[in-house]
Amino acid sequence: DTEVTQTPKHLVMGMTNKKSLKCEQHMGHRAMYWYKQKAKKPPELMFVYSYEKLSINESVPSRFSPECPNSSLLNLHLHALQPEDSALYLCASSQERGYGYTFGSGTRLTVV
Amino acid sequence: DQQVKQNSPSLSVQEGRISILNCDYTNSMFDYFLWYKKYPAEGPTFLISISSIKDKNEDGRFTVFLNKSAKHLSLHIVPSQPGDSAVYFCAASARNAGNMLTFGGGTRLMVKP
Repeated sequence: DTEVTQTPKHLVMGMTNKKSLKCEQHMGHRAMYWYKQKAKKPPELMFVYSYEKLSINESVPSRFSPECPNSSLLNLHLHALQPEDSALYLCASSQERGYGYTFGSGTRLTVV
Repeated sequence: DQQVKQNSPSLSVQEGRISILNCDYTNSMFDYFLWYKKYPAEGPTFLISISSIKDKNEDGRFTVFLNKSAKHLSLHIVPSQPGDSAVYFCAASARNAGNMLTFGGGTRLMVKP
């Protein structure tokens, strides 16, 4: 298995909703990442988990809450989002630095 | 301040010709460089990488060149195919930044049949 699987592929949520994005990999990668990508912009790093511990939080608002239940799973819990949070949310994993990350296909999030 | 820049937002090339995508960086601590290809509504796909100890890396139709003194790298695709049409992101990482990637803004490549 050489894939990073993200669910759902599309999500529409209201500003008062609570939802979660899920990411799964079975490549034995020990680092996992959440990126946010707005249209015509590069991916921007949000969170990094290394060995299931949060190692980097790039000043992301608290309405985004990451969780790493085990080495294969990464969640992003969403609550009270704003319309400007609408974007493609990408999960990635890597075995070690220097080798290309493997990205998931992303979740297209629309906040209404 | 953007540390990785792709100054051409788009590039159009005829099928069979060479595509050259350029990338400049400012952080002299970057020591590993990668190119990703991205189709709409999909995640980026790793293409090719190069370490700062090399100046060229080749993989099939794709070659990456690194000019450290100019802080410039380029991706050459020869011959270009219509299926290569996508957005290409240059990315860089630094030893002292762990495993973090800094992405350029991307270049949209269109290969015309």
